[in-house]
Amino acid sequence: GAGVSQSPSNKVTEKGKDVELRCDPISGHTALYWYRQSLGQGLEFLIYFQGNSAPDKSGLPSDRFSAERTGGSVSTLTIQRTQQEDSAVYLCASSVDRYTEAFFGQGTRLTVV
Amino acid sequence: SQQGEEDPQALSIQEGENATMNCSYKTSINNLQWYRQNSGRGLVHLILIRSNEREKHSGRLRVTLDTSKKSSSLLITASRAADTASYFCATAYNDMRFGAGTRLTVKP
Repeated sequence: GAGVSQSPSNKVTEKGKDVELRCDPISGHTALYWYRQSLGQGLEFLIYFQGNSAPDKSGLPSDRFSAERTGGSVSTLTIQRTQQEDSAVYLCASSVDRYTEAFFGQGTRLTVV
Repeated sequence: SQQGEEDPQALSIQEGENATMNCSYKTSINNLQWYRQNSGRGLVHLILIRSNEREKHSGRLRVTLDTSKKSSSLLITASRAADTASYFCATAYNDMRFGAGTRLTVKP
């Protein structure tokens, strides 16, 4: 595609429900990142995929968070049993590799009520 | 977790003035990048400087890198109201980590 696409743009969910956030990276990009950004804050690193290597999950805040990347393309970030503190904008980015510029999607704004 | 710290957290200047933002980081890097964010959504890449480079220019942007001090600066010359945004540095090594950002306001 022309750019990184994230869906949905906005998601409101009830506390305790599971949510899935989707990221379609730019075709051919081997690196894919997920970040979380709370209002007025910086980007918190969550997880990084590079090609077929094992993902770097060191930023996932708890075992309620998981992510996968199928076929080296689309990625899904899953949050189980959502909590109010999970409310944030979740940003996905992709790049040719980890040493080149990253292209960001517009993010998914998650609100847990 | 975040890699670096931007300084200042917020900066307010008049149009036509220069804006300087600083970034400090903690670990080894392959390169350091600067990004801009409007309205709290997607970030846009501005400039990349490699660890063996000391200075780089792109239009009104000038970036310096001092690996001995683990710091970088972004200078925006002749600022415009449209430069109002948040600016983030990011370090690339095993992955890519961002700092907390500087909120720049340029008053017309």
